[in-house]
Amino acid sequence: ILNVEQSPQSLHVQEGDSTNFTCSFPSSNFYALHWYRWETAKSPEALFVMTLNGDEKKKGRISATLNTKEGYSYLYIKGSQPEDSATYLCAESGGSQGNLIFGKGTKLSVKP
Amino acid sequence: SAVISQKPSRDICQRGTSLTIQCQVDSQVTMMFWYRQQPGQSLTLIATANQGSEATYESGFVIDKFPISRPNLTFSTLTVSNMSPEDSSIYLCSVAGGGGYGYTFGSGTRLTVV
Repeated sequence: ILNVEQSPQSLHVQEGDSTNFTCSFPSSNFYALHWYRWETAKSPEALFVMTLNGDEKKKGRISATLNTKEGYSYLYIKGSQPEDSATYLCAESGGSQGNLIFGKGTKLSVKP
Repeated sequence: SAVISQKPSRDICQRGTSLTIQCQVDSQVTMMFWYRQQPGQSLTLIATANQGSEATYESGFVIDKFPISRPNLTFSTLTVSNMSPEDSSIYLCSVAGGGGYGYTFGSGTRLTVV
């Protein structure tokens, strides 16, 4: 059984702060690592899919890195804005049915 | 990527009743996944629905409690039967993108059982 762990559980920052979250996952039989942004009452929005050790991806002020050998990924947000407030989910493609295995998420609140 | 319409978006139900959640996809997909997120927990797979065959349930989930229909390649329903307060969760349907990358989700059903 895969265990995907995320930290911190929640985070409160001021507008303009930069922040980062951690996702750890079992490094054996790794296939792909996904990051999603989930706002209340909306669909989870795909941010990144990463497959190769050392992958770095960027989308605007948000970036992510991947270390498959040690089993972790970091998500960075530069200059946080109130609209960044959401739950950030990390998931690994490891389910027996081709499904995703999720962490519990990091809930980010950005105060103006 | 596919677009999924999920209904209802939220509901408050009495214990002992049942609720059926619907997901409509704008394209044909082979597999649809049904997840649940209980308060403070991870999104957890309930079952995988394939058209033309019985759904495959994960450990801890049974067909009598969560019957699933998959009448065609664009539609699926999940029923939460004989509900109790422990069933209060967010329920999400999802489909996979090509090559196992990029999954798309419905907007979720927030269920409260009183």
